[in-house]
Amino acid sequence: GENVEQHPSTLSVQEGDSAVIKCTYSDSASNYFPWYKQELGKGPQLIIDIRSNVGEKKDQRIAVTLNKTAKHFSLHITETQPEDSAVYFCAASSPTGANSKLTFGKGITLSVRP
Amino acid sequence: GAGVSQSPRYKVAKRGQDVALRCDPISGHVSLFWYQQALGQGPEFLTYFQNEAQLDKSGLPSDRFFAERPEGSVSTLKIQRTQQEDSAVYLCASSLRDGSYFGEKLFFGSGTQLSVL
Repeated sequence: GENVEQHPSTLSVQEGDSAVIKCTYSDSASNYFPWYKQELGKGPQLIIDIRSNVGEKKDQRIAVTLNKTAKHFSLHITETQPEDSAVYFCAASSPTGANSKLTFGKGITLSVRP
Repeated sequence: GAGVSQSPRYKVAKRGQDVALRCDPISGHVSLFWYQQALGQGPEFLTYFQNEAQLDKSGLPSDRFFAERPEGSVSTLKIQRTQQEDSAVYLCASSLRDGSYFGEKLFFGSGTQLSVL
């Protein structure tokens, strides 16, 4: 089955700096790659996603890039703010028949220092 | 509109007790998923429903875990004879369309934190 790995496991940046979080996946059939943000005591919330037919997607301060050859994708956050502090999960989905279940990475804790 | 609602928010059970966790998905959502999230880990897939049909239960850890969605809306995850290793946050998620639509946005609830003593 699919295996998704995230690195680093923690990241601390100064407010206003950029943050980059990287993920790798193992199943070359995976075709959908979402990123979720989870705040303490809450469920994961989708912040951006990308499909395998594009290499980059941007939404205001966040962007995601995908390299299918190398099987890795990255989340880029520019002009970080303290409210960006949270746990971020990458995930991958591959066609498995009846459902599009996601395989998540272990998460990275992002801390934005004021 | 209301999001995905889960209850109870916290559940403490003695080892060996049965528990039932409830999920109210967003109204009209066809797909419903249950995930298990251990402390410090990412969510792990447990089971999937398309309306009332349980189409995938490959992630259920043992036959002590049982899920149902009898009328295609509210779902219940039941764990029998709870063990300490069952302690985790149980997340429910729903999406508008069925699982054949890849890339459907999942809406997660806040989860039920289960602690087995």
